[in-house]
Amino acid sequence: DTEVTQTPKHLVMGMTNKKSLKCEQHMGHRAMYWYKQKAKKPPELMFVYSYEKLSINESVPSRFSPECPNSSLLNLHLHALQPEDSALYLCASSQPSLTSGRLVKDPDTQYFGPGTRLTVL
Amino acid sequence: KQEVTQIPAALSVPEGENLVLNCSFTDSAIYNLQWFRQDPGKGLTSLLLIQSSQREQTSGRLNASLDKSSGRSTLYIAASQPGDSATYLCAVTSGTYKYIFGTGTRLKVLA
Repeated sequence: DTEVTQTPKHLVMGMTNKKSLKCEQHMGHRAMYWYKQKAKKPPELMFVYSYEKLSINESVPSRFSPECPNSSLLNLHLHALQPEDSALYLCASSQPSLTSGRLVKDPDTQYFGPGTRLTVL
Repeated sequence: KQEVTQIPAALSVPEGENLVLNCSFTDSAIYNLQWFRQDPGKGLTSLLLIQSSQREQTSGRLNASLDKSSGRSTLYIAASQPGDSATYLCAVTSGTYKYIFGTGTRLKVLA
């Protein structure tokens, strides 16, 4: 199973709302990513969790709050967003090739979910 | 700061043509390079990953090459089909999980 799932598929929220995006993978990957993608632009990295620890935060505003409850789940909590935050939010996972002691299938290959289309009114 | 550029930005070809997509990066100290396709409004699908020690990778009608010293990668698509129509993205990393994506090439294969 090489699937990354994301819920919800679409989300419309007001600037005062609090909502969460959810991402799940069951491939045993130990790195998980959040990207933001605006129309006709490439994805931009937001956060990376490696072995359930936040390893990269690309200076993302605090109104975005990531959480990694376990190795299969990744959440993105949203609060007081701005209209310019409207975008496609993509989750991805990969298995680090530097995992010692065992062979890794498709090391470093990133698998993406279908994304959540977020609209902030 | 790593910058990744893809040329051309858009490409339209008749079905059956062989084509080459280009990806250039400014910092040659990469760990790997990955090629993806993205259909409109969808997530990304991984096509090929080339580790920095490799020169090329093949999967079916796709062949990707890597020349680290010149900061270039090419994706070769043989015998293109209308189903190949999508945006193709390359992404590089220096090995710290930080992936930088290229600007993308929008491909349209005409039946």
